[in-house]
Amino acid sequence: DTEVTQTPKHLVMGMTNKKSLKCEQHMGHRAMYWYKQKAKKPPELMFVYSYEKLSINESVPSRFSPECPNSSLLNLHLHALQPEDSALYLCASSQIRGETQYFGPGTRLLVL
Amino acid sequence: AQSVTQPDIHITVSEGASLELRCNYSYGATPYLFWYVQSPGQGLQLLLKYFSGDTLVQGIKGFEAEFKRSQSSFNLRKPSVHWSDAAEYFCAVGMNPADRGSTLGRLYFGRGTQLTVWP
Repeated sequence: DTEVTQTPKHLVMGMTNKKSLKCEQHMGHRAMYWYKQKAKKPPELMFVYSYEKLSINESVPSRFSPECPNSSLLNLHLHALQPEDSALYLCASSQIRGETQYFGPGTRLLVL
Repeated sequence: AQSVTQPDIHITVSEGASLELRCNYSYGATPYLFWYVQSPGQGLQLLLKYFSGDTLVQGIKGFEAEFKRSQSSFNLRKPSVHWSDAAEYFCAVGMNPADRGSTLGRLYFGRGTQLTVWP
């Protein structure tokens, strides 16, 4: 089973809202990733967690705050977003950092 | 620096025709290579991967890819395309974990190739 789940599927938020995206996997993977994907573009890496510790932060603005409370769960907390942050947010996981990444279905975010 | 080039932005083929999507990469050692497929509004699905060994790798949905070190290429092929294959295809390269660099885990994606299938 190579399933990564993401909730919600769709999210609309105002620029003053606070919301969170959730990602879950039960494959025993110890590395988890957040990506942002704009239309007609490849995914852009945002954060990498390895054994629940932040390993890579691709200079993402502080209005995006990742959290890895345990090995199965990855959250992305959103606050004071801008309309240009509207995108598909993808989560992925891998056995360990650097191994094959398996992606979730994504959360489509619209910031008004 | 690692990079991936997919020279074809858009390819159109007829159903039943053969397909080849091109991918060239830049990496100092033996890379980890991947092909992913993405349907509109969906996540990325892994088609196949190459780490080492046999340079011709088989994937899901009848796809295969061949690693050619001398040409720094990892082209994706399918002998007979189905209408359901219409999607965006991404080639990606990752660092070999044995290299233990600080960017381990970072996938470098090509810009993608949009495949249209005519009935």
